[in-house]
Amino acid sequence: GAVVSQHPSWVICKSGTSVKIECRSLDFQATTMFWYRQFPKQSLMLMATSNEGSKATYEQGVEKDKFLINHASLTLSTLTVTSAHPEDSSFYICSAHETSQETQYFGPGTRLLVL
Amino acid sequence: AQSVTQLGSHVSVSEGALVLLRCNYSSSVPPYLFWYVQYPNQGLQLLLKYTSAATLVKGINGFEAEFKKSETSFHLTKPSAHMSDAAEYFCAVSDFGNEKLTFGTGTRLTIIP
Repeated sequence: GAVVSQHPSWVICKSGTSVKIECRSLDFQATTMFWYRQFPKQSLMLMATSNEGSKATYEQGVEKDKFLINHASLTLSTLTVTSAHPEDSSFYICSAHETSQETQYFGPGTRLLVL
Repeated sequence: AQSVTQLGSHVSVSEGALVLLRCNYSSSVPPYLFWYVQYPNQGLQLLLKYTSAATLVKGINGFEAEFKKSETSFHLTKPSAHMSDAAEYFCAVSDFGNEKLTFGTGTRLTIIP
């Protein structure tokens, strides 16, 4: 149990385009999901907290107009990187909070390359 | 404010030897503590967690960790390393009632044949 999926697993796009990444909790409902960014050989950097039915909470320094988050259901959160640029290339990981276990479960990650 | 310190960004052990990965935390309230493992180009997999029950926690793949309040530590151990244990390991802390995690900087474990 407690499986989280992400789609796509990798994406290549041209500079200036938008990319949407989906995060799904497959066997539990999650009112709270999180989006992280990870640079090579570094720890995870929390970008934002996604709350079902309400606006996301962004960490300091993260542009909310650049990284749009939607949490429309208890099993799905999406991250849209708008007008992507090469510096947005990174590994993006989502997690979903399983309330009864008080634990975050992570997706497999999405590698984004912006050309 | 919470924080996590992982001593040793790189740890190398021989196959069959003891694995010890160190984690110290600071928290103003009783913490929840987690160890996650990350294999290359993958997300994080939960190894084990401490949520105020037994102080010695057993996880998957033969790993265990002991919560020591007096030392504010939650070190990860495995009696006998296997080649498949080579990965990045992250210690994380959250406060009771707070879903947000604070991560350590990670420890890369290398297994020497």
